[in-house]
Amino acid sequence: QKEVEQNSGPLSVPEGAIASLNCTYSDRVSQSFFWYRQYSGKSPELIMSIYSNGDKEDGRFTAQLNKASQYVSLLIRDSQPSDSATYLCAVNQGSNYQLIWGAGTKLIIKP
Amino acid sequence: DGGITQSPKYLFRKEGQNVTLSCEQNLNHDAMYWYRQDPGQGLRLIYYSQIVNDFQKGDIAEGYSVSREKKESFPLTVTSAQKNPTAFYLCASSQDRTDTQYFGPGTRLTVL
Repeated sequence: QKEVEQNSGPLSVPEGAIASLNCTYSDRVSQSFFWYRQYSGKSPELIMSIYSNGDKEDGRFTAQLNKASQYVSLLIRDSQPSDSATYLCAVNQGSNYQLIWGAGTKLIIKP
Repeated sequence: DGGITQSPKYLFRKEGQNVTLSCEQNLNHDAMYWYRQDPGQGLRLIYYSQIVNDFQKGDIAEGYSVSREKKESFPLTVTSAQKNPTAFYLCASSQDRTDTQYFGPGTRLTVL
């Protein structure tokens, strides 16, 4: 069974520090990887997508992909209280293009 | 103002009742999806549609039905056969099945 694993947290990080969120996946043929942010009671919103090995930066966010080790991570620099949310990792299976979702990591930024 | 709308925001269902959740998008996306989210769990796919008049079952389709008569609309019916329907229902769309998915605001369904 194809799986995407995330530490449920909560992950508590001081304001201004770097938050590091990790995600591992089981399907080696996965091709597309997504990070979504979900505030309590709201729908997920896309933060970043990544398709190739290495780093991809967008403002304070950096996604890192390592296909050989089957993990994808999200770094948030200069963490703000508004970054407090649940972060969902989603992986697109290569075979049928269905997105497989992790259960999410709850991030708390302490002022 | 492009986006995905879902209605109602909150819905209450009595035992044995069918209810229909609305999802509309004006992004001109071909693919649309319905997910269910339970507390502490990831999103689970109920149904998806890649094109008008075509849809496929996801992982948890039992007790649900959909239609895709128009590109913009993908309503979900929660039937009385769904024994535990209380959940947060999310509709999403994407340009095609390989593209990024964008979500509507969701409908929270509660069984009374």
